Amino acid sequence: GDSVTQMEGPVTLSEEAFLTINCTYTATGYPSLFWYVQYPGEGLQLLLKATKADDKGSNKGFEATYRKETTSFHLEKGSVQVSDSAVYFCASYTGRRALTFGSGTRLQVQP
Amino acid sequence: DTGVSQDPRHKITKRGQNVTFRCDPISEHNRLYWYRQTLGQGPEFLTYFQNEAQLEKSRLLSDRFSAERPKGSFSTLEIQRTEQGDSAMYLCASSHKEQGGNTEAFFGQGTRLTVV
Repeated sequence: GDSVTQMEGPVTLSEEAFLTINCTYTATGYPSLFWYVQYPGEGLQLLLKATKADDKGSNKGFEATYRKETTSFHLEKGSVQVSDSAVYFCASYTGRRALTFGSGTRLQVQP
Repeated sequence: DTGVSQDPRHKITKRGQNVTFRCDPISEHNRLYWYRQTLGQGPEFLTYFQNEAQLEKSRLLSDRFSAERPKGSFSTLEIQRTEQGDSAMYLCASSHKEQGGNTEAFFGQGTRLTVV
């Protein structure tokens, strides 16, 4: 079945550091890929998405590129802020049922 | 529209009691999903509806769980004879499925269930 694997956290960075959160997927066919973010006490929010190979999703300074050859969708940001502290979830969708989520990566950004 | 809303936000119940949660999706969305999220894990799919039809149920959804979406608008998720293992965050999401594809899923803030 479909699955999503992402790096375990927590990831602790200083403000303005570079962020990478790894995500790989297995799926039947060619899924759409997503990053969702969950801030403390809030629901899941879509951060960015990519629907086909080589697409780059971007939002709020975050980027992720759909790499079919490595089945990856790593999340990156050049300079993190304290306000980016949250849990980040990678997810895939093949159109058959519902989103398949990874286990989440907690990011803690220190001033 | 204020997005997907869930009620209650928190529920504490004694083991063996029944509980019911409600989800109001975004009004024009025809798909509604239920997920369960435990601490340190990503959301796990439970079931989903297209309009009023329940199209799929996960193996996670035991016979103590039942979900309905009677008029294709709001949905309820009932858990009968709750067990401590049912303690989790229950998330609802909605999207719009049409011939050309599916919009992104919008999530509610969830209902946190604690079974004591």
